[in-house]
Amino acid sequence: DSGVTQTPKHLITATGQRVTLRCSPRSGDLSVYWYQQSLDQGLQFLIQYYNGEERAKGNILERFSAQQFPDLHSELNLSSLELGDSALYFCASTTGQSSYNEQFFGPGTRLTVL
Amino acid sequence: AQSVSQHNHHVILSEAASLELGCNYSYGGTVNLFWYVQYPGQHLQLLLKYFSGDPLVKGIKGFEAEFIKSKFSFNLRKPSVQWSDTAEYFCAVIDTGGFKTIFGAGTRLFVKA
Repeated sequence: DSGVTQTPKHLITATGQRVTLRCSPRSGDLSVYWYQQSLDQGLQFLIQYYNGEERAKGNILERFSAQQFPDLHSELNLSSLELGDSALYFCASTTGQSSYNEQFFGPGTRLTVL
Repeated sequence: AQSVSQHNHHVILSEAASLELGCNYSYGGTVNLFWYVQYPGQHLQLLLKYFSGDPLVKGIKGFEAEFIKSKFSFNLRKPSVQWSDTAEYFCAVIDTGGFKTIFGAGTRLFVKA
């Protein structure tokens, strides 16, 4: 158990819908990272937040957005869902704001878009 | 931007065989490299990392990796694999700037008992 929690574990929805994925970092960690893992693209970095502020952006679509709340949990919002958005979405947390520290990963949310 | 290549997507070995998984990165400057592992049904976890110093890095569970700057490589090795090493292995590099971690596509290792 890494100490990072993600809900829900599984999500099945239809094209065009909107979903929210939730991540709670390890106690004391201020940074949250979001990743998308799909069969054809591997593990792709989406976005990072540090202490409530966006720090780095990766290959995140405009239909996707994220935020980190004062209690440091983070939510990833995916809208106008397409079949290709089906993937595993992981979050990870670290103590500092850079990637030099080990990232602790959550168990992931498996999103299926039908 | 950095990129990471893992050449072997699937590897099948018998127990006690030696393992070497290839990883190449694109950037020629200062690099910070990781190997992460994802066991079936579990979360990704860190195996080992290289930031500086001795290019031969030892990690958990008997794994090691060698940083060879001239070859832009950071291959993962284990002298004798076990069935419990069946997992997916990811090489990763920190992008310039220090905020993004770029992961390779992963290598799925299956060890036959």
